[in-house]
Amino acid sequence: GAVVSQHPSWVICKSGTSVKIECRSLDFQATTMFWYRQFPKQSLMLMATSNEGSKATYEQGVEKDKFLINHASLTLSTLTVTSAHPEDSSFYICSAPRTGRFNEKLFFGSGTQLSVL
Amino acid sequence: SQQGEEDPQALSIQEGENATMNCSYKTSINNLQWYRQNSGRGLVHLILIRSNEREKHSGRLRVTLDTSKKSSSLLITASRAADTASYFCATDRASGSRLTFGEGTQLTVNP
Repeated sequence: GAVVSQHPSWVICKSGTSVKIECRSLDFQATTMFWYRQFPKQSLMLMATSNEGSKATYEQGVEKDKFLINHASLTLSTLTVTSAHPEDSSFYICSAPRTGRFNEKLFFGSGTQLSVL
Repeated sequence: SQQGEEDPQALSIQEGENATMNCSYKTSINNLQWYRQNSGRGLVHLILIRSNEREKHSGRLRVTLDTSKKSSSLLITASRAADTASYFCATDRASGSRLTFGEGTQLTVNP
């Protein structure tokens, strides 16, 4: 199956700093990637849809200036949490459809646990 | 409103038993998918069933879909301790739309 690599697996940072999370499709080109946030024992909450070569589409209630998404190539999307605060602590996961169709099988990264002190 | 809702929220069984999880949804779909998530990890795709299919098998997994009741079930037969994970259903609301994930069922298989 297709492989999506997410890095780092976990990060601890001080309040006010920025954190970048990378999501790479290793063996396919991903024109679209999805970024989710997940709280303990809860479902995935879609934050934004990352589109290669164009602006990301953010879900209602997600601050664009807070969660910066860049999809500069067909294999890499990044999520930057700017000026992180303790309430941003969460598990962040990316995914991508190999076919480019939003509702087909998704391949997920392994997730990033962010802890903001 | 939640598109996909699983029940039960948590299920604890003994190794060798079968585990059944259910998913209900509200709007018409093109396909329904089941994913598994081990604690602290990303999700892994298990099976996709399309709206014109009623049943699908993959190894020890059996998925059914009843579009008239807007519900699906995932059956894991002869469960193993390694099946312990959270299981999520995901649905699309229309052709080409993004997936919406349910709240998940936490399955614990006791050795």
